[in-house]
Amino acid sequence: SYVLTQPPSVSVAPGKTARITCGGNNIGSKSVHWYQQKPGQAPVLVIYYDSDRPSGIPERFSGSNSGNTATLTISRVEAGDEADYYCQVWDSSSDRGVFGGGTKLTVL
Amino acid sequence: QVQLVQSGAEVKKPGASVKVSCKASGYTFTSYGISWVRQAPGQGLEWMGWISAYNGNTNYAQKLQGRVTMTTDTSTSTAYMELRSLRSDDTAVYYCARQLWFGEFFWFDPWGQGTLVTVSS
Repeated sequence: SYVLTQPPSVSVAPGKTARITCGGNNIGSKSVHWYQQKPGQAPVLVIYYDSDRPSGIPERFSGSNSGNTATLTISRVEAGDEADYYCQVWDSSSDRGVFGGGTKLTVL
Repeated sequence: QVQLVQSGAEVKKPGASVKVSCKASGYTFTSYGISWVRQAPGQGLEWMGWISAYNGNTNYAQKLQGRVTMTTDTSTSTAYMELRSLRSDDTAVYYCARQLWFGEFFWFDPWGQGTLVTVSS
């Protein structure tokens, strides 16, 4: 089955740029989606189809996907961005969803 | 607005079954699928399976095959997830999520608020 690999944690100072990676075999051929989950809350979609933002998500959130790595970039990081972030793809060969292990973003 | 509202928390004994509901509103229920995702305490997200609300087709995660059943009631725009032969490691928050797509690519938005299922003797 398809495997997505994320770093367990990323730390960034307020106002700086955070980059969270999601690795997978030839992931650039798939569409990657990103979710933000704050403690005690349900996940929220922040990026879909590699780089599209749902309405209501700040422009500070962006995504890219190429080769074996997809990246979620959060510019001008704020304290309120502190959360767990998960990448997700759909494995069309098995018709099943796949999540990465999640990355805890800490704002210093 | 599009909303998914799930049933309340459950406490079950090992070996029992649980059935969680997910009532949709704000969109045409039969135009989208519903995926179920669970999250054990302190752990990441685990995709469990999905059901087409259009025709009832399902596909389940391999590790849950034989223990999970997903159904829908289109008359009430409600999806259900039943998990049988519960074990302690099934203790988790269970989420439903509307499944969006483009071509062969699927993603989830929005999510229900989650249902805590505790399995304990």
